[in-house]
Amino acid sequence: GENVEQHPSTLSVQEGDSAVIKCTYSDSASNYFPWYKQELGKRPQLIIDIRSNVGEKKDQRIAVTLNKTAKHFSLHITETQPEDSAVYFCAANTGANNLFFGTGTRLTVIP
Amino acid sequence: DSGVTQTPKHLITATGQRVTLRCSPRSGDLSVYWYQQSLDQGLQFLIQYYNGEERAKGNILERFSAQQFPDLHSELNLSSLELGDSALYFCASSVALRHPYNEQFFGPGTRLTVL
Repeated sequence: GENVEQHPSTLSVQEGDSAVIKCTYSDSASNYFPWYKQELGKRPQLIIDIRSNVGEKKDQRIAVTLNKTAKHFSLHITETQPEDSAVYFCAANTGANNLFFGTGTRLTVIP
Repeated sequence: DSGVTQTPKHLITATGQRVTLRCSPRSGDLSVYWYQQSLDQGLQFLIQYYNGEERAKGNILERFSAQQFPDLHSELNLSSLELGDSALYFCASSVALRHPYNEQFFGPGTRLTVL
């Protein structure tokens, strides 16, 4: 089955700096890699995703890169703001279209 | 609001008891997923249903079971509850089973506390 590893588990950055979260996956058949943001006590919400036919995708201050050969993908947040503070989860799909999630990264943006 | 609803929002019960968590997917979504999130833990996939049929199982205990009804709502049944079952239980839904880009929309979760 799919195994998704995520690093780091915690990340603190100064407001305005960039944050990078990295994930690796094991199933070469995976072709969909979403990132979810979860604020304390709330539901995970999709912030960006990438399909296996592209290498990079951007949405304002957020970007995701995918390296299928190396089986890793990363989330990049630029010009971080305090409201970016949350737990971020990466995920990869399986053949049954289930998502296997990484263990999460707690991002703290220090004003 | 994702369009996925879950009830109850909070549930407090005792060890050994049985509870039922309910989920209504977004309108038009046929696939329902259940996840368990323990304190400071990631999201553990439990089980998936598609149009009433079980499609995949993850780390679901034998004490837990689920079903999806003809109106597509789903219930997760947890029995012989233990202290370690205390967690946030999320339901998510997506449009189809084999669509290649199948975004999952999460409900607000049910917080279960076992005393």
